[in-house]
Amino acid sequence: AQSVTQLGSHVSVSEGALVLLRCNYSSSVPPYLFWYVQYPNQGLQLLLKYTSAATLVKGINGFEAEFKKSETSFHLTKPSAHMSDAAEYFCAVRETGANNLFFGTGTRLTVIP
Amino acid sequence: NAGVMQNPRHLVRRRGQEARLRCSPMKGHSHVYWYRQLPEEGLKFMVYLQKENIIDESGMPKERFSAEFPKEGPSILRIQQVVRGDSAAYFCASSPSVSGANVLTFGAGSRLTVL
Repeated sequence: AQSVTQLGSHVSVSEGALVLLRCNYSSSVPPYLFWYVQYPNQGLQLLLKYTSAATLVKGINGFEAEFKKSETSFHLTKPSAHMSDAAEYFCAVRETGANNLFFGTGTRLTVIP
Repeated sequence: NAGVMQNPRHLVRRRGQEARLRCSPMKGHSHVYWYRQLPEEGLKFMVYLQKENIIDESGMPKERFSAEFPKEGPSILRIQQVVRGDSAAYFCASSPSVSGANVLTFGAGSRLTVL
């Protein structure tokens, strides 16, 4: 069975500081992994995805994530936070052959000026 | 090229009424997914449809909920006899193909409030 755990429902960082949002997954087979961002009252926008190619995935807006099979993790990072990064971030997993994505409960990122 | 269009964006219903949420996929997309987001929770899969077919409804509540994606027109998620627990944001996503769950495009959601 697949599941996603996002450690920390709320994360605050100062503008210009490193952003680290954690995601661990459990899956019986190698999965596809995703990070989505949701701005207030909007739908989800894909930041990046891992589909069994390079383990370090670069996404939009300067975000990247590294797939670590040994740690079953797919943490999202950005070297320098910007005020516009304030949003809710969701990690999601899709097992091969599955029809749908399984989402974590989300992490709300606050950027402090 | 418009994205995934959902309407209404906000819907208020009293207990016992019916709610109908509509989703028009991106142009060229023939696969539609519905997800529900309860307050302070992540998105939960409800149903996956192709034109005129329900492919996977494993996430749909057994009663009061139904979905369709007719040959012409938008996909519709229908909730009969709504209860307060149905209050949530309902998101629709579309993809171009059967392998397209890796390239889902989400709409802005329909927020249902049940009084």
